[in-house]
Amino acid sequence: ILNVEQSPQSLHVQEGDSTNFTCSFPSSNFYALHWYRWETAKSPEALFVMTLNGDEKKKGRISATLNTKEGYSYLYIKGSQPEDSATYLCAFRILNRDDKIIFGKGTRLHILP
Amino acid sequence: ETGVTQSPTHLIKTRGQQVTLRCSSQSGHNTVSWYQQALGQGPQFIFQYYREEKNGRGNFPPRFSGLQFPNYSSELNVNALELDDSALYLCASSLGPEETQYFGPGTRLLVL
Repeated sequence: ILNVEQSPQSLHVQEGDSTNFTCSFPSSNFYALHWYRWETAKSPEALFVMTLNGDEKKKGRISATLNTKEGYSYLYIKGSQPEDSATYLCAFRILNRDDKIIFGKGTRLHILP
Repeated sequence: ETGVTQSPTHLIKTRGQQVTLRCSSQSGHNTVSWYQQALGQGPQFIFQYYREEKNGRGNFPPRFSGLQFPNYSSELNVNALELDDSALYLCASSLGPEETQYFGPGTRLLVL
């Protein structure tokens, strides 16, 4: 059974501080790694998709890196703001399998004013 | 441009009943994927439809079925509901099977 692990499960960060969290996934049958942000009472919103080992993506204060050989991705948030409070989900897309995509349970980020 | 919509938003059913959930894809999208999110879990992939054909299936029993219409909207049907089917059901549409997915707001199903 393939599994995607995210850590930590929950995180409290002071406004203005920077933070990061991890997504671990199987290093075989890799196709792509997605990050989503899911704010309460809204739909999950795509942040990044990464396909190549060493990929780095950036969107404003948020960036992500990918290591497919060791099976992990980091999401970084610089200078946290209240609007960053959300659950951050990663999803591992699998090559050549019927079940196609596996999500982690998410990291719940709370920004403290 | 209209985003992904789902109906109904909430639903209460009893064990053994059947339910149909609906999803309208974003304009121009030909692929719809369905997910179940139980409490404390990440979304679990149920199946995907691409141009009206099933294009992948997760580890769900056959009583979970679906279809996609010519306008690329989709339905998820669940027969013989069980208590464990209580969850948030999300659909996501995309420009193709491997493209970025755009999620709807979900349907929250409660089975009593």
